[in-house]
Amino acid sequence: NAGVTQTPKFQVLKTGQSMTLQCAQDMNHNSMYWYRQDPGMGLRLIYYSASEGTTDKGEVPNGYNVSRLNKREFSLRLESAAPSQTSVYFCASSEFTSGYNEQFFGPGTRLTVL
Amino acid sequence: AQSVSQHNHHVILSEAASLELGCNYSYGGTVNLFWYVQYPGQHLQLLLKYFSGDPLVKGIKGFEAEFIKSKFSFNLRKPSVQWSDTAEYFCAVNALTTDSWGKLQFGAGTQVVVTP
Repeated sequence: NAGVTQTPKFQVLKTGQSMTLQCAQDMNHNSMYWYRQDPGMGLRLIYYSASEGTTDKGEVPNGYNVSRLNKREFSLRLESAAPSQTSVYFCASSEFTSGYNEQFFGPGTRLTVL
Repeated sequence: AQSVSQHNHHVILSEAASLELGCNYSYGGTVNLFWYVQYPGQHLQLLLKYFSGDPLVKGIKGFEAEFIKSKFSFNLRKPSVQWSDTAEYFCAVNALTTDSWGKLQFGAGTQVVVTP
């Protein structure tokens, strides 16, 4: 039982390049999330998926797109990377039922955009 | 919009000292409350959570937190810290409204350094 896994662990991009961050969970959770973590700002929600087939914007969605490929996988795409997207990205999942939303986090992807 | 405020950005203390980290949130309705910890180079792990019931919640590694509804607070405490408690601590709130469905609002985090 691996929990939430993310690939890659590290990535360096040049401005304007594109890439996709992958996330998978094996806990059979319905809901999945993408956050970015920046110093002094905590974690901010980029996009989330309440269930397979649905996605919604979070607090900071500009410059990103997501795909909920199936129940297990939720990917985050940067179409044209910018230096402001240098950050650590965390994927999370939860079984949000009856108002109880404990989220489980992946190990993170450290992205640098030059 | 809801907000979460953590009072201290950096805390430095010696081993065996007591720790208290403040967390306040702005939403007046029903909430789920969480404290997460992030050890250096690692991902976030859940320390403890409050959904309902006893407002004094005990978590892992000797941590506890008290939910005071009238003060909109959920402060984290540990009576005696160890060097291994050096980490960043995040308070998070899920306000149970239609608009904030499933979304955790995080505080900015408190970096705790425990010196030997």
